[in-house]
Amino acid sequence: NAGVTQTPKFRILKIGQSMTLQCTQDMNHNYMYWYRQDPGMGLKLIYYSVGAGITDKGEVPNGYNVSRSTTEDFPLRLELAAPSQTSVYFCASSYTGQINSPLHFGNGTRLTVT
Amino acid sequence: RKEVEQDPGPFNVPEGATVAFNCTYSNSASQSFFWYRQDCRKEPKLLMSVYSSGNEDGRFTAQLNRASQYISLLIRDSKLSDSATYLCVVLGSGGGGADGLTFGKGTHLIIQP
Repeated sequence: NAGVTQTPKFRILKIGQSMTLQCTQDMNHNYMYWYRQDPGMGLKLIYYSVGAGITDKGEVPNGYNVSRSTTEDFPLRLELAAPSQTSVYFCASSYTGQINSPLHFGNGTRLTVT
Repeated sequence: RKEVEQDPGPFNVPEGATVAFNCTYSNSASQSFFWYRQDCRKEPKLLMSVYSSGNEDGRFTAQLNRASQYISLLIRDSKLSDSATYLCVVLGSGGGGADGLTFGKGTHLIIQP
């Protein structure tokens, strides 16, 4: 049981490039989330999904896209990368959306856009 | 007033001491409260939920004060391994899903030998 797995761990992008951050979970969780964490700041929700085929915007969705074709996978797509997207990205999942279901986080992806 | 506010620290505490820190929240209708722990360059992990009556888990005690809109975390007999950033997490009044969570910026705790 690997939990939540994110790839890559690190990435450097040039301005205008695009990339996909991969996230997969093997816990059969319905809910999945993408957060970004900037230095000295709280985690901000980018997008979330309550199940396969369903996605919703979080607090800071601009510049990102997601898809949820399977229960296990929830990739985050960056189009036209900008320096403001330099951050640490965390994928998380939970069994249900109810708050007593703890969030399980992946190890994070450190992205630098230069 | 910020939604969820924490003293960023760092709190430098000698090993074996007791340390406590608070987190204030602005939404009086907030439903649920949590402490997450985040080690340096690692992912956050749930430390404990905070219940209205207060709750204890080993050396850790969490309390909620709805009247003054803050939660607290007390760590007794602190260990070197307690060094981490402690994130206060609050669920707002809208919906019950984790999409309603607001994370504080965290309090950095350093336990010194």
